[in-house]
Amino acid sequence: QSVLTQPPSVSAAPGQKVTISCSGSGSNIGNNDVSWYQQLPGTAPKLLIYENNKRPSGIPDRFSGSKSGTSATLGITGLQTGDEADYYCGTWDNSLSAVVFGGGTKLTVL
Amino acid sequence: QVQLQESGPGLVKPSQTLSLTCAVSGGSISSGGYSWSWIRQPPGKGLEWIAYMYFSGSTYYNPSLKSRVTMSVDTSKNQFSLKLSSVTAADTAVYYCARFGYNYVADYWGQGTLVTVSS
Repeated sequence: QSVLTQPPSVSAAPGQKVTISCSGSGSNIGNNDVSWYQQLPGTAPKLLIYENNKRPSGIPDRFSGSKSGTSATLGITGLQTGDEADYYCGTWDNSLSAVVFGGGTKLTVL
Repeated sequence: QVQLQESGPGLVKPSQTLSLTCAVSGGSISSGGYSWSWIRQPPGKGLEWIAYMYFSGSTYYNPSLKSRVTMSVDTSKNQFSLKLSSVTAADTAVYYCARFGYNYVADYWGQGTLVTVSS
């Protein structure tokens, strides 16, 4: 069982918007920045969002991140079939002294 | 553009030691401000952080694996390594090496290498 809780799956139609939640506690999300990663089928994870809401160079502004209290959210607008992937949140956990990840959310673009 | 490439045996027998190396190109492993990490993903499951270290040698291990893990760095070859001892089938996974930036952000990843533990 993962320290950070994500919904196992979400789905939406092309062109629509979807949000993926990541729930933690005061020892992790509550006091540390959150990153988000996209893992396309059969490939390595790729950094999507860092420091809660910043996008690396090359990541389209269709992807956004936010954090409030002990939860974080990834938002994707204008969904494309190419967005079908597993999405993971990650952060540092002060109590565990470890980098922790969510269990991952599978996005299906119907 | 930083690139990372894992290498090592794809099959390890139970109770033996898993050994992997990550070669870094496009940047120096001695660059300040970064650390170098191992992360694994069992088939069909999520990500698990294993360890990270700085080129200076300071290492930090996942407490759940600490007793079995050793990381090392070879700055002359611009690479770092992982050793995981006493492996079992539960250690079967794709192993990724990655660069950590500020706040443990994994900004560059290797392509991953599947290690199967089986007799």
